[in-house]
Amino acid sequence: GAGVSQTPSNKVTEKGKYVELRCDPISGHTALYWYRQSLGQGPEFLIYFQGTGAADDSGLPNDRFFAVRPEGSVSTLKIQRTERGDSAVYLCASSSGQSVYGYTFGSGTRLTVV
Amino acid sequence: AQSVTQLGSHVSVSEGALVLLRCNYSSSVPPYLFWYVQYPNQGLQLLLKYTTGATLVKGINGFEAEFKKSETSFHLTKPSAHMSDAAEYFCAVTLDTGGFKTIFGAGTRLFVKA
Repeated sequence: GAGVSQTPSNKVTEKGKYVELRCDPISGHTALYWYRQSLGQGPEFLIYFQGTGAADDSGLPNDRFFAVRPEGSVSTLKIQRTERGDSAVYLCASSSGQSVYGYTFGSGTRLTVV
Repeated sequence: AQSVTQLGSHVSVSEGALVLLRCNYSSSVPPYLFWYVQYPNQGLQLLLKYTTGATLVKGINGFEAEFKKSETSFHLTKPSAHMSDAAEYFCAVTLDTGGFKTIFGAGTRLFVKA
């Protein structure tokens, strides 16, 4: 597609529920990144995919967070047993290679856990 | 470990005045440096980047930044502010070690007064 698409744009869920956030990167971009942006802060790295594999998942805060990219294109970030502290904007970005080229970001999914 | 410090969470300038947003980084190896801009309710957009070569880099919308290794700085400037420049600006750094993780500063919100 023309840009990075993230759905839904907003998600409100109850504490303890499971959520899935979707990212559709720019066609042909092999690298895909997930970041989390809390209010008043810069984006915080979560996980990086090169193709289908997670090359670096060191930013995932705990085992409630998981992400997949089964066909090397669309990625899904999954959060189990959501907590109020998970409330943030989840950003997806893609690039054609290493991040030295800079990212193209999606508009994000605003997750609110009530 | 690499880190990014943006001095001033808020900067206010008058329309037509010089814009100066400060960024300092810490890195043990030569970094790649970026500025991103985030307009309200939109995703982050790459403004400019420094990888190698000329230390003064020009970006979109009349912005430029200069990499000063001796000062570990990458300040963003624009000679004359426009109302449309009001946004949040993020400085970011990634290392030339595979380049798969970019670290962002906390951001500086720019206000432009008429």
